[in-house]
Amino acid sequence: EVQLVESGGGWVQPGGSLRLSCAASGFTFSSYSMNWVRQAPGKGPEWISYITSSSRNIYYGDSVKGRFTISRDNAKKSLFLQMNSLRAEDTAVYYCARDGADAGGQPYYFDYWGQGTLVTVSS
Amino acid sequence: DIVMTQSPDSLAVSLGERATINCKSSQSVLYSPNKKNYLAWYQQKPRQPPKLLISWASTRESGVPDRFSGSGSGTDFALTISSLQAEDVAVYYCQQYYSTPPSFGQGTKLEIK
Repeated sequence: EVQLVESGGGWVQPGGSLRLSCAASGFTFSSYSMNWVRQAPGKGPEWISYITSSSRNIYYGDSVKGRFTISRDNAKKSLFLQMNSLRAEDTAVYYCARDGADAGGQPYYFDYWGQGTLVTVSS
Repeated sequence: DIVMTQSPDSLAVSLGERATINCKSSQSVLYSPNKKNYLAWYQQKPRQPPKLLISWASTRESGVPDRFSGSGSGTDFALTISSLQAEDVAVYYCQQYYSTPPSFGQGTKLEIK
C-alpha cells in the first residue's frame, strides 16, 4: 500500500523558516517524481514544487520561487521542502503527492497524497 | 499560465440522480501529437486530501466506481456522476497538466438535495 506521511509543520512567525519532510513507503520511491501541493484554508489546492526521480529537474510555482527549496533522499525514501522567508499567505496544509505519470520531466497529475501537515505563519 | 474555471460553484442533486460538473481551461489542454487531453479530476471529502478520480480527461483510476465518468476535449470538460450516492458528497476539482505550473479549478461543492 502506498503511504506518504508528512511532518514538520507548525506555527512560525513571518520571516521564519520550516523544513517539511515526507516519508514514503509501499512503492519504489526512487522511480517516481514527487510534488508538494498546498491548500490554504477554504481554498483549492495549489501546486508549489516538483522534483524528478533523480533530482535532475526541479520546478517551483511563482509564489514560492526563491524562498522554498525541494529536495529528496532516495536512500531514505524521503522528500523535503525547506521553506524560508515565510509569509502569512503561506499558511496552508502542505501535501506531499506522487506524480502519476513520470514522462517528460514535468509535473502531471497526482495519484497519491499524504494526509498533509499544517503550516501556520502568524505573529 | 492556464486558468481553470469550474461551474457551478455548488450543486445540490437528489440521491440516484445525475450530477454534472463542468470545467473550462483558458487554453486548450489537448496535445495534438498524441491526441491526449491533459486533464484530471479529484474528489475531496472534509479533512481528507484530494483523491484522484480520473486522468487524461476520461481514464478512471483503479477502484473508482463506474458511476464516475469524464468527458470533453480541448478546453471544455465535464465530470458526471450517473447516479448520486450519499458518499459522493464532496468538493470536486479539475486540474490541467498540459503545462507547468499545473493548475486547479476553484472547486465545485456537491451536496444532496
